[in-house]
Amino acid sequence: LAKTTQPISMDSYEGQEVNITCSHNNIATNDYITWYQQFPSQGPRFIIQGYKTKVTNEVASLFIPADRKSSTLSLPRVSLSDTAVYYCLVGLSGGSYIPTFGRGTSLIVHP
Amino acid sequence: DAGVIQSPRHEVTEMGQEVTLRCKPISGHNSLFWYRQTMMRGLELLIYFNNNVPIDDSGMPEDRFSAKMPNASFSTLKIQPSEPRDSAVYFCASSWSGGNQPQHFGDGTRLSIL
Repeated sequence: LAKTTQPISMDSYEGQEVNITCSHNNIATNDYITWYQQFPSQGPRFIIQGYKTKVTNEVASLFIPADRKSSTLSLPRVSLSDTAVYYCLVGLSGGSYIPTFGRGTSLIVHP
Repeated sequence: DAGVIQSPRHEVTEMGQEVTLRCKPISGHNSLFWYRQTMMRGLELLIYFNNNVPIDDSGMPEDRFSAKMPNASFSTLKIQPSEPRDSAVYFCASSWSGGNQPQHFGDGTRLSIL
């Protein structure tokens, strides 16, 4: 089971780009990388998922280098509403996959 | 579309009482997960079901906790007897287990055991 390591917290300001990096040195060949966002008093919400290279959607971009031992979630031009905890998960969904959320990265966006 | 529905949203009860948390997954999803979240331990997976069958319950803290999924549209997590250390937010999530489908979470049940 791949273990992930992320910074505990980050601070940013409105309008800046935020990059959160997750380390997953023992990622397996078939593992995907998934990021979730959690606001206070809510359940985590899926943001983006990828296997290699770059994935982009309307919310974020996910950069995965060739060795796949890390990944970076990029949030363009953050606003106050992006203040949340961001979790990186690695593994296959379904089957014998046991999702492990860890402690996540607490992002605080300042005015 | 209706998301994952959990009830109750809040529960306050005295220690020793039985607590039952309920979850209705998204229609068509065949995997269901129960999590517990506290400040100390973060978000912990308690148990997950695939096609109504418990696949892994290694995260269930002890015998006081039990979970059932009698059909594809309903699951319960029961604590009997409850203790103050069980106070937490309990989340239910569902997903389609074919491929790498993301989990969809409910809004959680905030449980306080006095």
